Amino acid sequence: AQKVTQAQTEISVVEKEDVTLDCVYETRDTTYYLFWYKQPPSGELVFLIRRNSFDEQNEISGRYSWNFQKSTSSFNFTITASQVVDSAVYFCALSEEVQAGTALIFGKGTTLSVSS
Amino acid sequence: IAGITQAPTSQILAAGRRMTLRCTQDMRHNAMYWYRQDLGLGLRLIHYSNTAGTTGKGEVPDGYSVSRANTDDFPLTLASAVPSQTSVYFCASRTGAKPSAFFGQGTRLTVV
Repeated sequence: AQKVTQAQTEISVVEKEDVTLDCVYETRDTTYYLFWYKQPPSGELVFLIRRNSFDEQNEISGRYSWNFQKSTSSFNFTITASQVVDSAVYFCALSEEVQAGTALIFGKGTTLSVSS
Repeated sequence: IAGITQAPTSQILAAGRRMTLRCTQDMRHNAMYWYRQDLGLGLRLIHYSNTAGTTGKGEVPDGYSVSRANTDDFPLTLASAVPSQTSVYFCASRTGAKPSAFFGQGTRLTVV
């Protein structure tokens, strides 16, 4: 069975601090996808990144970076120099190939609060 | 329409009433999903459809039904609403070519 664990329920930081959101996953599949979504206070779900299981390269996009390590089944998300606008709930998710007929399985989310 | 549209945006519903949440996408995605979001529980899958004409049960299907008569529409029906179905409901879709799911804006449902 697939499972996604986000052990951090809530994180509070002050602006300009770096923060890492942890995500650990479980799957028996060799081919799978990992995702991060952001849910700001307005409520919509915003796609941030997708990684497939064959691509372990770390990704950097502006202040955001992702560290994918198959050896530890982790896909952690780091925000550098956090800003108030980063305050949101962040979800990590996992899925098999779409053709396999399964949906994204989400972690319970980490609520990030960035204060000025 | 651009992407996925859900209707209504919010609804207050009396317990025991029947309610259909609508979801329409214009991206021709094969797979569609319904999730519910509850505080502390994240998003949980209710039902899914891999392609028009087929549906399947997710993690929390009891009290809900779906249909997929065509590619674009995936309505979720609560046959007899109960207060525990108070939640925010998200519809999503995706394809093999674009495995990142696209989400609707959500429907906030309150059952009283």
